[in-house]
Amino acid sequence: NAGVMQNPRHLVRRRGQEARLRCSPMKGHSHVYWYRQLPEEGLKFMVYLQKENIIDESGMPKERFSAEFPKEGPSILRIQQVVRGDSAAYFCATLREGLDEQFFGPGTRLTVL
Amino acid sequence: AQSVTQLGSHVSVSEGALVLLRCNYSSSVPPYLFWYVQYPNQGLQLLLKYTSAATLVKGINGFEAEFKKSETSFHLTKPSAHMSDAAEYFCAVSDRRGADGLTFGKGTHLIIQP
Repeated sequence: NAGVMQNPRHLVRRRGQEARLRCSPMKGHSHVYWYRQLPEEGLKFMVYLQKENIIDESGMPKERFSAEFPKEGPSILRIQQVVRGDSAAYFCATLREGLDEQFFGPGTRLTVL
Repeated sequence: AQSVTQLGSHVSVSEGALVLLRCNYSSSVPPYLFWYVQYPNQGLQLLLKYTSAATLVKGINGFEAEFKKSETSFHLTKPSAHMSDAAEYFCAVSDRRGADGLTFGKGTHLIIQP
């Protein structure tokens, strides 16, 4: 089985542009989690999705950030009108229904110029 | 609300020496606890997990951790450090078997001296 895939691995955007980060779960995994890691910090939970549903978005900034996990295709984390403070590593993790281990992708490192 | 405190942002040990990375948690319900390792520019890999079974948990690469409810701790140990253990280590807590979003500590950078 392929692991959790994230693309792109590195993304550079200018202030005001949009960033789209993709996460393809492991086969059979129907739960997706997004985390953000700022420099010298641990990972912070952002959002938890199951197919077509947002389960918990308590860690998402109220503005400019959105996430989806459509019936077909990868989960998308979208950041509109990026600012320098959005520069971070964004990780997704996926989990199989009924199990207790989240598997992490390699991350997308976003740099906002 | 849950929280995790990892004492020591950097820990340095000699190769062959004992590794001890500290983790204390707070949780309003019986917790599920995890240790992850992150190598540079990579994602996180699960080392071990506590999910209310045995309090002494053995993981990969010779690591183990002991859940102590009275001390709200879940410290990570390894009897003999290897150069390849140099990495960032994160302790995390969940209310519900890892199915909730995890709450992570700030991480401990483990340095191995030759």
